[in-house]
Amino acid sequence: DARVTQTPRHKVTEMGQEVTMRCQPILGHNTVFWYRQTMMQGLELLAYFRNRAPLDDSGMPKDRFSAEMPDATLATLKIQPSEPRDSAVYFCASAPGEGNFYNEQFFGPGTRLTVL
Amino acid sequence: LAKTTQPISMDSYEGQEVNITCSHNNIATNDYITWYQQFPSQGPRFIIQGYKTKVTNEVASLFIPADRKSSTLSLPRVSLSDTAVYYCLVGAYSNYQLIWGAGTKLIIKP
Repeated sequence: DARVTQTPRHKVTEMGQEVTMRCQPILGHNTVFWYRQTMMQGLELLAYFRNRAPLDDSGMPKDRFSAEMPDATLATLKIQPSEPRDSAVYFCASAPGEGNFYNEQFFGPGTRLTVL
Repeated sequence: LAKTTQPISMDSYEGQEVNITCSHNNIATNDYITWYQQFPSQGPRFIIQGYKTKVTNEVASLFIPADRKSSTLSLPRVSLSDTAVYYCLVGAYSNYQLIWGAGTKLIIKP
């Protein structure tokens, strides 16, 4: 049963610390998304990649957030320095397909981040 | 840029049909309409997707009128396990626009 995995599942850190969240997309999926979910803002698209290349990161605060795909099996989202307002659940999702741009997204279980 | 609007919450009873409507007045030609379901402490899960008219699968139907400015997710004969948040998503990866609705919290009562 292929699934998107995310680590860590929970992270508590202090303001100013660096936070790294990792995602392993489903094998063979070439599109990877990062989302942030809060009660106030709902589900926000931060960035996404196709074939490891960033296609859009306009939803991501550039001064402190960065997203990369070092290889096809790993996507990372870093926050440096972290702030209390970054507290949220961060989801990674992956999707298959090259020619079809409308494919189903498969979400991971999320990383719950708390910044004190 | 398409913006999606959906009711914040809805209640219904087991065995009833539930219809959740999403408004997307500025939908673009390339945009598809997709619905996701989310349970607490889980990521959203795909339910159904369509471009126009009607689409049906084993769990839901999606109705899209000719002007495509709205869409209705229909859940037949709901059960308690259908209690969840339902999201409408409008967009096309081809132009890098994915617009999520705020979600509709559906509560099914016995």
